[in-house]
This record gives sequence, structure tokens and C-alpha cells, in this order.
Amino acid sequence: EVVLTQSPGTLSLSPGERATLSCRASQSVTSNYIAWYQQKLGQAPRLLIYGASSRATGIPDRFSGSGSGTDFTLTISRLEPEDFAVYYCQHYGNSRWTFGQGTKVEIK
Amino acid sequence: EVQLVESGGGLVQPGGSLRLACAASGFTFSNSGMSWVRQAPGKGLEWVSYIGTSSTTTYYSDSVRGRITISRDNAKESVYLQMNSLRAEDTAVYYCAKYYSGMGSFDYWGQGTLVTVSS
Repeated sequence: EVVLTQSPGTLSLSPGERATLSCRASQSVTSNYIAWYQQKLGQAPRLLIYGASSRATGIPDRFSGSGSGTDFTLTISRLEPEDFAVYYCQHYGNSRWTFGQGTKVEIK
Repeated sequence: EVQLVESGGGLVQPGGSLRLACAASGFTFSNSGMSWVRQAPGKGLEWVSYIGTSSTTTYYSDSVRGRITISRDNAKESVYLQMNSLRAEDTAVYYCAKYYSGMGSFDYWGQGTLVTVSS
């Protein structure tokens, strides 16, 4: 089973700053099946990125995904007030889905 | 507009059973795989189960296999999760999620239903 490790656990930044979130897989994975989600307190997750780098419908272009092999990154180019939330990476393979433990982006 | 509405959560004693339902609308339900994903209080996301378009394909996480059964009714545009032999560690918000076909991800989620296993 692929284990996803996200870092850092918490990212303290100010609005307008750039956020870089990391997701490392325990073994090399196909980037086709790496996704990123945003979850705000009390809400359901929202798909941001699929296929490691494709933005989901309606997602602003300040969100971008990259990576391959075992290392994947979600970048938020300029943080807006509504971007402060928890972010999860996710992988699909061998008939199972796994999530990272999450990175909280908080206001500094 | 895609909508997924879960129901059936509540308080149940350890060893008890519960059946969750998810009513879908706004997309061609019969063409979409569906999953349940749960989130324990204050914790991260954990995938639970998946069902393919015609119910012939089902997958389960190791933590629930043998205790939980996923099913669907395409005529009613609904997916279900029958949970038996419930344990305290099954306490979580259970989300219904639409599988983004071929993309390995979930493009729409319901608001969730809370299951509490406690005596």
C-alpha cells in the first residue's frame, strides 16, 4: 500500500504570500492518479487538482500542481483569505485510495 | 448542479448496525462510480469503499472489509453503506463521493453524515 506523507504539518503565511505544500509517496506512483483537495472547517473536501497537475472545474489558476515519481507539490501562488484551510493529497492504485495526513495553511 | 445528500447517520452501540444512504442528482448516476470516505473527529480523510457503475465491482479498505457492504440502486440514483459490527473507531463523518472516471479522484462530495459508535 502506498503511504503518502505531507509536509509541513502546518504552514503559517500571510495573505498574498506563496504557499508550497509537499506530498511524498512511499514508492514511485503514476502521476495520473495523484489529486489534491481543499477542506475548510465544517465543510466537505473540494477537488482542486487531479492527474498531479490538472485543475478541476472552477479552480482558480493561482492553484497549481506538479511532480512525478514520489514527490508532488501543490503551489498556491498568492494566498487569498479564502485559501486558509487544510489540504490533502490522494493517490489511487491497486483498487484502493489513500490520503495524506493533511497540511493546514493558517494565517500568520 | 451535482448534489450528493447523505442520510442515516446517528448514535449506535458497539456491535450494532447502521445503513447510510446517499441520494444523487445533477449527473448521470448510472455512469459514475461512487465511494464512501470517512473522517474521524479532528482527523484526516480515510477511503472506505467503492462501487462501480453496475455493482459488479466493489472495493473495501482493510479496516472495514467483512463488516461493511456497499451497494447502489441506479433507478433510485442512490448508493448505500451497510455497516455491521460497528466499533468505536468507526465513529466519523461519512462522505459520499462521486468518482471522477478514469482520473483516480473524487470530483464531487456530499456534506457528510455523522456516525457515532458509543455505549
